[in-house]
Amino acid sequence: DAGITQSPRHKVTETGTPVTLRCHQTENHRYMYWYRQDPGHGLRLIHYSYGVKDTDKGEVSDGYSVSRSKTEDFLLTLESATSSQTSVYFCAISEPGGNQPQHFGDGTRLSIL
Amino acid sequence: QQQVKQSPQSLIVQKGGISIINCAYENTAFDYFPWYQQFPGKGPALLIAIRPDVSEKKEGRFTISFNKSAKQFSLHIMDSQPGDSATYFCAASDQTGANNLFFGTGTRLTVIP
Repeated sequence: DAGITQSPRHKVTETGTPVTLRCHQTENHRYMYWYRQDPGHGLRLIHYSYGVKDTDKGEVSDGYSVSRSKTEDFLLTLESATSSQTSVYFCAISEPGGNQPQHFGDGTRLSIL
Repeated sequence: QQQVKQSPQSLIVQKGGISIINCAYENTAFDYFPWYQQFPGKGPALLIAIRPDVSEKKEGRFTISFNKSAKQFSLHIMDSQPGDSATYFCAASDQTGANNLFFGTGTRLTVIP
């Protein structure tokens, strides 16, 4: 496994509460990504980072924010969780340059009641 | 709107048979087409990838066939084994941005002994 650790692995919370998911890498890769995985949708990109403090929106960014204060950590925050954000969240990393593979963590299963 | 369409949604194959999963895309800017394999409770893992300058790529029992004019690509698993039972995702990306991937909706493969 690429050195990617996601925490927590499971979380149950209530609607309206803030939630932060953490992705930690030991590979020193420049790019980091957050995806959500839902049945019938595959994986969809939420936000990505192309360097420390450099982030951009993905396909489904509404309701999510991210931060990257150091190379190894990429945080995903749900400011006020909603039931529609119940999902499995995956972090990925890659090197810059065309066609570089993305390597995924094992995910965080988030349930919002 | 799904940028990469994948079929079938599920597939059951006898041990030793050939598993075939198909994907199609519209965006002609896509130039990198990876396939990911995912086991329950794990993140997707890169299986094999192809660029549009070749029509076929083979790695062991796994082959990608690519038809640029039809904007279609497929994964063939020869001599399918029970250990191949997993969910498979096709994906595509272009050279812009941070190699962002657009995923198909996934195919759950079951190989019967």
